[in-house]
Amino acid sequence: EPEVTQTPSHQVTQMGQEVILRCVPISNHLYFYWYRQILGQKVEFLVSFYNNEISEKSEIFDDQFSVERPDGSNFTLKIRSTKLEDSAMYFCASSEAQTGELFFGEGSRLTVL
Amino acid sequence: SQQGEEDPQALSIQEGENATMNCSYKTSINNLQWYRQNSGRGLVHLILIRSNEREKHSGRLRVTLDTSKKSSSLLITASRAADTASYFCATAGGNNRLAFGKGNQVVVIP
Repeated sequence: EPEVTQTPSHQVTQMGQEVILRCVPISNHLYFYWYRQILGQKVEFLVSFYNNEISEKSEIFDDQFSVERPDGSNFTLKIRSTKLEDSAMYFCASSEAQTGELFFGEGSRLTVL
Repeated sequence: SQQGEEDPQALSIQEGENATMNCSYKTSINNLQWYRQNSGRGLVHLILIRSNEREKHSGRLRVTLDTSKKSSSLLITASRAADTASYFCATAGGNNRLAFGKGNQVVVIP
């Protein structure tokens, strides 16, 4: 069964460092998303991506964040200068349709020290 | 903004009992979806109900949607220990984002 894969599963970084989280969405999906979940809290939307551009972003997704689909299979989230409050589980998701079912990866846990 | 909000209570039930969770939202939607998350894992889609539907079934799951009250419920019948998880509702509107609620933790005691 096709699945969304994410790497790394866990990353520890120092405050101020750049981090890149990688995702391989399901191959025939057209819509891609990043969400984050701070421990024990709700799942927060960060950004959606369609047709090689951002289609929606939340207020959390400020200038420190960027997304890319560099090679037609990977979908990356970059945080330029990490803050302590960026510590969270980051989930990538993909879907066939704009408001359809989302398929999530297992997440990348980011710990900022 | 559209936002699913579950009743925040945690549920602890005996195996075999039914579990019901509720979700309310604030604006108009195209559909409402329920997801499940096991501790430390990704979210798994359970069921999608469109705004013109009132009830939907999938196996032991039953979802209702009342657009006049902007609320939905998820019923898990004959619960099993493996149903222990957090359950999230999420609303989809005209934009390209799915807005999740806070989640409802369910513990099924064997």
